[in-house]
Amino acid sequence: DGGITQSPKYLFRKEGQNVTLSCEQNLNHDAMYWYRQDPGQGLRLIYYSQIVNDFQKGDIAEGYSVSREKKESFPLTVTSAQKNPTAFYLCASNGQLYSNQPQHFGDGTRLSIL
Amino acid sequence: AQKVTQAQTEISVVEKEDVTLDCVYETRDTTYYLFWYKQPPSGELVFLIRRNSFDEQNEISGRYSWNFQKSTSSFNFTITASQVVDSAVYFCALSEPLIRTGNQFYFGTGTSLTVIP
Repeated sequence: DGGITQSPKYLFRKEGQNVTLSCEQNLNHDAMYWYRQDPGQGLRLIYYSQIVNDFQKGDIAEGYSVSREKKESFPLTVTSAQKNPTAFYLCASNGQLYSNQPQHFGDGTRLSIL
Repeated sequence: AQKVTQAQTEISVVEKEDVTLDCVYETRDTTYYLFWYKQPPSGELVFLIRRNSFDEQNEISGRYSWNFQKSTSSFNFTITASQVVDSAVYFCALSEPLIRTGNQFYFGTGTSLTVIP
């Protein structure tokens, strides 16, 4: 079945460590997104990409980095510069050019500090 | 400024009661799209409905119905005869034209609905 796969489901980070969250989609979508969700809050956009080898900062990009080398993959790295990384991270995708298409979401990754 | 406002942070209802979740949005575009998503305790967001700005017809899907009113910039969601399985966080979202915003979605802060058996 087509969908978005995020891994791992749970991730723990040590102080000063970079960690990478995986996001893979087989929906043939051009656009992919990373959101951060804190308890009791909405979704905040970290980065998004509309096409391979191109990505844009969202509202809270500081302390994060991404790459988009393949259409299917949009990994997110939480760097040591992100001082408060504990949150629920959601990856999404939808077809480029059509903002009327709903975003499809993965199951999320819960990141915690050790 | 918040583009999508969901003023109700938490709502609790008893099973079989009707409940309405409010969503107010802000945009200067004439073409835009509105969405509702459900986030169950497992975490993934599930798409429920999309509405474009030119279609103000209300929609009903089973126990779910949506009331879109451009005059008040609202897109409210009603669950009739609520069930325990409806317990979740519900998000309203706005999408503006691709050219100007790069296909970004703006999400409200969500309304946590608890249906008590």
